[in-house]
Amino acid sequence: RKEVEQDPGPFNVPEGATVAFNCTYSNSASQSFFWYRQDCRKEPKLLMSVYSSGNEDGRFTAQLNRASQYISLLIRDSKLSDSATYLCVVNGGGNQGGKLIFGQGTELSVKP
Amino acid sequence: NAGVTQTPKFRILKIGQSMTLQCTQDMNHNYMYWYRQDPGMGLKLIYYSVGAGITDKGEVPNGYNVSRSTTEDFPLRLELAAPSQTSVYFCATILPGLAGEQFFGPGTRLTVL
Repeated sequence: RKEVEQDPGPFNVPEGATVAFNCTYSNSASQSFFWYRQDCRKEPKLLMSVYSSGNEDGRFTAQLNRASQYISLLIRDSKLSDSATYLCVVNGGGNQGGKLIFGQGTELSVKP
Repeated sequence: NAGVTQTPKFRILKIGQSMTLQCTQDMNHNYMYWYRQDPGMGLKLIYYSVGAGITDKGEVPNGYNVSRSTTEDFPLRLELAAPSQTSVYFCATILPGLAGEQFFGPGTRLTVL
């Protein structure tokens, strides 16, 4: 089983749609969770952290279920500029020197 | 304040050649990381360092070496380039005050022919 597993993409949606990405992780000792965004041929950039109580940043909502070891990202009212690959990222857990484990990414394409 | 810089941006190597990918950060952070990303895949950790003079292996260290003689620099060395090392290489450090949230350099695209 992969340490971090995401929905296989790509997701093709029209502008204005709501889209949800799912992610599962295998290490129950992981303490920190993130969603990163990666544009084509560019470096990943932090989109948002994921907190136990769930958190929202504008059109983006992240949820964490520790019991199920499951993370989600919801994007409402999709914009063309949301087209990118979304990476689910989990810290290694324990004394791991800040190591992060990356999912393979889910590609989103928002069409006019 | 440039953050994390990487050189070169692009490089083509022949099989068996060697090269050093440079990474420099001006944020005075202790933690630095090297990743590789193959097409359509997530990032895999090659090596990391928790401070000057300290390095450790990540998930895919074979074929690479690192050193960390200063806080600022974390070069990655390929001694005998192989086609399997064709990839995009990212260097990263941790964002200020936010444990586990990493800030990446722009990447080096390496092709081994």
